[in-house]
Amino acid sequence: NAGVTQTPKFQVLKTGQSMTLQCAQDMNHNSMYWYRQDPGMGLRLIYYSASEGTTDKGEVPNGYNVSRLNKREFSLRLESAAPSQTSVYFCASSGWGEQYFGPGTRLTVT
Amino acid sequence: AQSVTQLGSHVSVSEGALVLLRCNYSSSVPPYLFWYVQYPNQGLQLLLKYTSAATLVKGINGFEAEFKKSETSFHLTKPSAHMRDAAEYFCAVSDRGNTNAGKSTFGDGTTLTVKP
Repeated sequence: NAGVTQTPKFQVLKTGQSMTLQCAQDMNHNSMYWYRQDPGMGLRLIYYSASEGTTDKGEVPNGYNVSRLNKREFSLRLESAAPSQTSVYFCASSGWGEQYFGPGTRLTVT
Repeated sequence: AQSVTQLGSHVSVSEGALVLLRCNYSSSVPPYLFWYVQYPNQGLQLLLKYTSAATLVKGINGFEAEFKKSETSFHLTKPSAHMRDAAEYFCAVSDRGNTNAGKSTFGDGTTLTVKP
């Protein structure tokens, strides 16, 4: 039982490049989330998915897109990376109540 | 709408001393409340949760929290700090409805430093 897994763990991009962050959970949870964490700003919700086939914007969705590929997988795409997107990205899932977090992806955009 | 305020972005205690991390919440419906811990370079993990059973909730690693509706608080305590408790702690609130997709609102976090 791996819980929530994320790939990659680290990534460096140049401004304007694109990439997709992958997330998968094996707990049969309906809801999944993408957050970014920046120093002094806590966790900010980017997008979430209440169930397979649905996605909704969170607090800071600009510059990102998501896909809920199936019940297990929820990916986050940066189409044209900007230095302001330098952050640590966490994926999480929830069945009822608490959330379970992945180990994070540390992204640097130069 | 929900919100969480964690009082004090940094708390420093000596090893063996009481740990008290403060959290106040705002919610228009009866809430679920959580405390999470984040160790360096890791994701968040659940310490404890309140879901309307006992108001005093015990969690992992000797932590506990008390739900006080009249004060809209959910402070985290531990009687005796250990060096391994040094981490960042997040309080979070979620409403009980099924329409919010289980979303939680997180506080900004409190960094706990434990001095030897």
